[in-house]
Amino acid sequence: QSALTQPPSASGSPGQSVTISCTGTSSDVGGYNYVSWYQQHPGKAPKLMIYEVSKRPSGVPDRFSGSKSGNTASLTVSGLQAEDEADYYCSSYAGSNNLVFGTGTKVTVL
Amino acid sequence: QVQLQESGPGLVKPSETLSLTCTVSGYSISSGYHWGWIRQPPGKGLEWIGTVYHGGTTYYNPSLKSRLTVSVDTSKNQFSLRLSSVTAADTAVYSCARAGVTKYHFDYWGQGTLVTVSS
Repeated sequence: QSALTQPPSASGSPGQSVTISCTGTSSDVGGYNYVSWYQQHPGKAPKLMIYEVSKRPSGVPDRFSGSKSGNTASLTVSGLQAEDEADYYCSSYAGSNNLVFGTGTKVTVL
Repeated sequence: QVQLQESGPGLVKPSETLSLTCTVSGYSISSGYHWGWIRQPPGKGLEWIGTVYHGGTTYYNPSLKSRLTVSVDTSKNQFSLRLSSVTAADTAVYSCARAGVTKYHFDYWGQGTLVTVSS
């Protein structure tokens, strides 16, 4: 199984929106509604931000939203804040009880 | 609050077996949920290693399956990872985590522990 493809970097000014893509295949992203997104600050553990494509865990701001179209999932961060600067990883169920992560995207708040 | 803590050697020699344990507090493993291991080589992305259910059922990354054993000890509220025949490519921060209800995402994570494979 190959890693899901994410852009290496994305950026935006405070208050703006940034969208990160996560591209897979019909065997993972496109085949199941089990895409999740994680935020990771340097030296810290990943934090679950979105699961099952668009569901937010308790405590995650509604500025974070997820969607999927075909083999590509997306994470949008609206009203960008300084603390949103981090690495973001997508993950998807890939069938046969397998999970695959994305390559990761570094979000910079300008 | 669910908390997870990894423990084990920080240095393993090439060809030997990497062994880590994750101790769970704030939740009884025997009550349910799946529990997983994820690793991250220095400066690189996340890689799912494997997942275990409290009853012992396991799911492994196909690329690691031949070298991997994940097990659970409900009496100690712990689950463990053993990866045999390690090489420098297995150097990474290893994290344990609780999988959500559908077992396809991880909602609680340990801090992670760096394991270096070197002679």
